[in-house]
Amino acid sequence: EAGVAQSPRYKIIEKRQSVAFWCNPISGHATLYWYQQILGQGPKLLIQFQNNGVVDDSQLPKDRFSAERLKGVDSTLKIQPAKLEDSAVYLCASSLWDANTEAFFGQGTRLTVV
Amino acid sequence: GESVGLHLPTLSVQEGDNSIINCAYSNSASDYFIWYKQESGKGPQFIIDIRSNMDKRQGQRVTVLLNKTVKHLSLQIAATQPGDSAVYFCAENNDYKLSFGAGTTVTVRA
Repeated sequence: EAGVAQSPRYKIIEKRQSVAFWCNPISGHATLYWYQQILGQGPKLLIQFQNNGVVDDSQLPKDRFSAERLKGVDSTLKIQPAKLEDSAVYLCASSLWDANTEAFFGQGTRLTVV
Repeated sequence: GESVGLHLPTLSVQEGDNSIINCAYSNSASDYFIWYKQESGKGPQFIIDIRSNMDKRQGQRVTVLLNKTVKHLSLQIAATQPGDSAVYFCAENNDYKLSFGAGTTVTVRA
């Protein structure tokens, strides 16, 4: 079974620029998660989708971050404009049903804002 | 808000010894818990999970213990190997959201 695919693997941008990350979950998985992992910390949930509906986005900085999951399959996460403190690894994960089923993670996108 | 946390940020263990990694959670309503292993430059990898109707679950070289009375979770790794060096996270299904603690870095000494 193919895993969760993310791209790009690395990205360096200047502050105030915009950036987008892409995630393709495991085929058939209903729930998709985006996490932000700052160096030395645990992953922080930004947004959780079930199919194409949002389960939770309470920790998503909505003034600059947006995410969509069209057709309930792949997803994009966008930051506009980026700040220095957005430097982190952005992880995408998916699970078959909901948070009561095992979540599989992609390798992440390492973002550096300079 | 309530969150999952780990007791110790680092653990150094001799190769061949057993490792015990601890996790305290605060949401008594959480009913599903997962341990993940994260190696440098990679995403978290599932190790083992446990549901709240159980207090122990065993896998290959790993055992998870759940004590709901004191809201404590632990991961035991038997005969720790160099490949076990990584950061270990516990995660919980917290109100239908998968929440992570800060992690414990395990270093295996040869």
